[in-house]
Amino acid sequence: SQKIEQNSEALNIQEGKTATLTCNYTNYSPAYLQWYRQDPGRGPVFLLLIRENEKEKRKERLKVTFDTTLKQSLFHITASQPADSATYLCAPADTSGSARQLTFGSGTQLTVLP
Amino acid sequence: DAGVIQSPRHEVTEMGQEVTLRCKPISGHDYLFWYRQTMMRGLELLIYFNNNVPIDDSGMPEDRFSAKMPNASFSTLKIQPSEPRDSAVYFCASHTDRGALIRYGYTFGSGTRLTVV
Repeated sequence: SQKIEQNSEALNIQEGKTATLTCNYTNYSPAYLQWYRQDPGRGPVFLLLIRENEKEKRKERLKVTFDTTLKQSLFHITASQPADSATYLCAPADTSGSARQLTFGSGTQLTVLP
Repeated sequence: DAGVIQSPRHEVTEMGQEVTLRCKPISGHDYLFWYRQTMMRGLELLIYFNNNVPIDDSGMPEDRFSAKMPNASFSTLKIQPSEPRDSAVYFCASHTDRGALIRYGYTFGSGTRLTVV
């Protein structure tokens, strides 16, 4: 069955450092992968998308890589700030058939310490 | 646009009672999804609709759960009878079409935190 794994432990880093979150998937081949941010008491918010033919995508201080051979995506936040503290979810998705829904990883809780 | 609106934000009910959760998607969004989030299982898809028609309800845990979408601006998720293991945060999400899903992702509501005692 399809499986998505994110950093199992919460991640604490010092302000100003780069945070790196991992998303591994097995038993399917996603055509693209999305990353979401979730704050306590709120629904997830879409951050960015990377397609299978893209190695890297950047948006401001965010960088995402997608390695279809390793079946892994890395999500980086450079120059991290306390306001970046949240849970980050990955959602690899295929475009086969009539698929319209996303399957989410369990998330990694990031805390940026001042 | 006010985004995806869910009500109530919090619901506490006794085991055996009926619970109804409500969702108003963003106007023009043809797809509506109900997800459940728990610490143990993360975000799980329960059911989704396209143009008010249920397309995939394979995630609905059992017959105690039912969902309806009587029109494009309203959906309900009902649990009858409720059980303590149903305690979770229930999210509604929507998007316009497959292309928009890829480019912009889902828009989620703020969720309903359900506690069954």
